[in-house]
Amino acid sequence: GAVVSQHPSRVICKSGTSVKIECRSLDFQATTMFWYRQFPKKSLMLMATSNEGSKATYEQGVEKDKFLINHASLTLSTLTVTSAHPEDSSFYICSASTGTESSYNSPLHFGNGTRLTVT
Amino acid sequence: KQEVTQIPAALSVPEGENLVLNCSFTDSAIYNLQWFRQDPGKGLTSLLLIQSSQREQTSGRLNASLDKSSGRSTLYIAASQPGDSATYLCAVRSYNTDKLIFGTGTRLQVFP
Repeated sequence: GAVVSQHPSRVICKSGTSVKIECRSLDFQATTMFWYRQFPKKSLMLMATSNEGSKATYEQGVEKDKFLINHASLTLSTLTVTSAHPEDSSFYICSASTGTESSYNSPLHFGNGTRLTVT
Repeated sequence: KQEVTQIPAALSVPEGENLVLNCSFTDSAIYNLQWFRQDPGKGLTSLLLIQSSQREQTSGRLNASLDKSSGRSTLYIAASQPGDSATYLCAVRSYNTDKLIFGTGTRLQVFP
């Protein structure tokens, strides 16, 4: 089945630094990737939708200058948390879709997530 | 705006019990509904996907039903086991936006 790889699985950084998280589709071309954030004991909140070759679409309340998303190829999307602060500490998960009509009725596959801790 | 709610928020039961987890959504214009399992600190495991035209799906001890018109889905877990302890999330893939919107989750604990 489709595999989505997310890296790193865990990262600790200092306040003010930037952190990049990668999401790769390993065996299919992902026209669309979704980035989610999950607070402790909460559900997943959609942050943004990225389409290959175009600007990401951010959900209301998500700062696009804070969470930079790049989807430069059909197999890779990156999320960069810029000037990280302790309140950015969270679990970030990506998912990928081929974006075709047939994919809409297929399960979305998710990466294993990245645990970000900002000290 | 699609909103997805799950009840109960938490559930603790002795093993062997049959369980029903509930999921409701406000906009019935969906492609499908998916149930996931999430273990603490881990990613998501897809359990079942029900297409908008389907009524139910089964996998082993799991059975999920969908009533799109009323905006409801249930996940039935038969003969629960301690290994079933996890958070269960439902998510709907909206027809208009293609987004997968998650419910609030049910934290399940099955004790021996």
